[in-house]
Amino acid sequence: GAVVSQHPSRVICKSGTSVKIECRSLDFQATTMFWYRQFPKQSLMLMATSNEGSKATYEQGVEKDKFLINHASLTLSTLTVTSAHPEDSSFYICSAINRDSYGYTFGSGTRLTVV
Amino acid sequence: GENVEQHPSTLSVQEGDSAVIKCTYSDSASNYFPWYKQELGKRPQLIIDIRSNVGEKKDQRIAVTLNKTAKHFSLHITETQPEDSAVYFCAASKGSNYKLTFGKGTLLTVNP
Repeated sequence: GAVVSQHPSRVICKSGTSVKIECRSLDFQATTMFWYRQFPKQSLMLMATSNEGSKATYEQGVEKDKFLINHASLTLSTLTVTSAHPEDSSFYICSAINRDSYGYTFGSGTRLTVV
Repeated sequence: GENVEQHPSTLSVQEGDSAVIKCTYSDSASNYFPWYKQELGKRPQLIIDIRSNVGEKKDQRIAVTLNKTAKHFSLHITETQPEDSAVYFCAASKGSNYKLTFGKGTLLTVNP
């Protein structure tokens, strides 16, 4: 079945630094990638939608200059959290849409801790 | 935009009992309604989904019903087992290639 590989699974970084999270679709072409953030005991909140080769569309309240999304190819999308602060600590998870079939494939998630 | 309400937020049942989780949505254009099971620290796993041209779908112990007129859909789990314990999320979208809007989740605990 369709697989999305997400790395890293866990990362601890110092406040003020940047962290890059990668999502790769391993066996299909992902035309669209969604990036979600999930705080403890809360739901998945959509941050942005990225389409291959175009700028990401951010949800209201999400700072596009802080959360940089790049979807340079049909198999790779990245989320960079710039100038991270402790309040950015969360579980970040991507979800890809397979161009050839309907369905959402989730990455395994990244637990970001900013200290 | 779409708004998905989910109830209850927590549900505790005895092993073997049934569990029902209900969701409502606001956007009548939504036509795809998946249910996900998420264990702590893991990715959501699709357990069942339904499209708006169908009123009910069943897969072994799991079933989903959809009432388009009332804009609500429900997850039914029969003969619950301890391994069913997890957080369950409903979601809605307007279809292929469109974003999912999630409910707030239900923590299901199945007591042995």
